[in-house]
Amino acid sequence: ETGVTQSPTHLIKTRGQQVTLRCSSQSGHNTVSWYQQALGQGPQFIFQYYREEENGRGNFPPRFSGLQFPNYSSELNVNALELDDSALYLCASSQRAPDTQYFGPGTRLTVL
Amino acid sequence: AQTVTQSQPEMSVQEAETVTLSCTYDTSESDYYLFWYKQPPSRQMILVIRQEAYKQQNATENRFSVNFQKAAKSFSLKISDSQLGDAAMYFCAYSRGTSYGKLTFGQGTILTVHP
Repeated sequence: ETGVTQSPTHLIKTRGQQVTLRCSSQSGHNTVSWYQQALGQGPQFIFQYYREEENGRGNFPPRFSGLQFPNYSSELNVNALELDDSALYLCASSQRAPDTQYFGPGTRLTVL
Repeated sequence: AQTVTQSQPEMSVQEAETVTLSCTYDTSESDYYLFWYKQPPSRQMILVIRQEAYKQQNATENRFSVNFQKAAKSFSLKISDSQLGDAAMYFCAYSRGTSYGKLTFGQGTILTVHP
């Protein structure tokens, strides 16, 4: 059974640029959630996708957007990057039920 | 809104000893789940244990057990026979029963295990 994978591992961007992060869900999982984890903090929920549709969103601006593909993999896009976007971005996949989240290793984004 | 509070920024324990990490939460929901996740320096968030709110019995996974006090909205994690590999950041997390797993996390507790 393949776990959740994310790419890239690390990424450095400059303010104002755009970035795309990718996530492959665990085999058998149809739901993907994205979280932002600032250094030394707990993760914050960004949004969730189920069967290619957004299914809930946290307190993040519209410049954070996502996609889910028919194979249940997902992308997180962030436009107009700001310095505060520097964080670890975690992807988690789950079944609809039970809905326990299983996390990938994360992508470390640094915005200069 | 639901909140999760971990009041211990750091804890330490001697190898083979027992340690308890504290967590409180606030919710008006009756259907919810509580979790403890472990995040080692490798960054990958690993599920330690899960508790359904409707279950009175405390969850147990090998050396890990919880003390779930629903009325007090308290959910502590006990690690028995601590091992060096238990050293990590531990997060308490909550999800509403109808939220399909969307998690609200606490601030985390750094656990150090001394040999």
